[in-house]
Amino acid sequence: QKEVEQDPGPLSVPEGAIVSLNCTYSNSAFQYFMWYRQYSRKGPELLMYTYSSGNKEDGRFTAQVDKSSKYISLFIRDSQPSDSATYLCAMSERQAGTALIFGKGTTLSVSS
Amino acid sequence: ETGVTQTPRHLVMGMTNKKSLKCEQHLGHNAMYWYKQSAKKPLELMFVYNFKEQTENNSVPSRFSPECPNSSHLFLHLHTLQPEDSALYLCASSQDYRGETQYFGPGTRLLVL
Repeated sequence: QKEVEQDPGPLSVPEGAIVSLNCTYSNSAFQYFMWYRQYSRKGPELLMYTYSSGNKEDGRFTAQVDKSSKYISLFIRDSQPSDSATYLCAMSERQAGTALIFGKGTTLSVSS
Repeated sequence: ETGVTQTPRHLVMGMTNKKSLKCEQHLGHNAMYWYKQSAKKPLELMFVYNFKEQTENNSVPSRFSPECPNSSHLFLHLHTLQPEDSALYLCASSQDYRGETQYFGPGTRLLVL
């Protein structure tokens, strides 16, 4: 079983839709969770991060972590064509000598 | 200039060529990373440098040779590459090497003919 599982999609939605992107993981020691957005032919950019369980909201984006289920989500409200990108989840134990573990990424297309 | 920069942005090379990728971070971070990103695959961590010392080498072939002269600069020297090495090579940095948030450069898109 891979450490981080993420459905690669592609996911196609109309403008204005609510989008839900998800990752599951197996390592219960993960406690730091991130979402990156990567536009075509660009490097990933940090979108949101959360520490431990709970929700975090930033504008149209909400990140949710459920450590009991080992499940994290990113919700995008009122999706826009400019949200079309690949979204990668990443997580870590946040211990010395450890790196981020990335999911494969979900490709999202929002049509106008 | 701010953030993480990478040069060149695009590179085409033959299998017998030698070239180098350059990365520079302007964030005052202590850890720097090289990743390989191929289509339909997750990011592959290649090398990690923490305070200029190499701390990770994830079974990367010797035709890839990293160099970190200081905490702000990272190089990836390439020689006798194979066509399957064609990919997007990403540099990233973080405050320290302990699962911290990483900040990525724009990447170098490499094509090996």
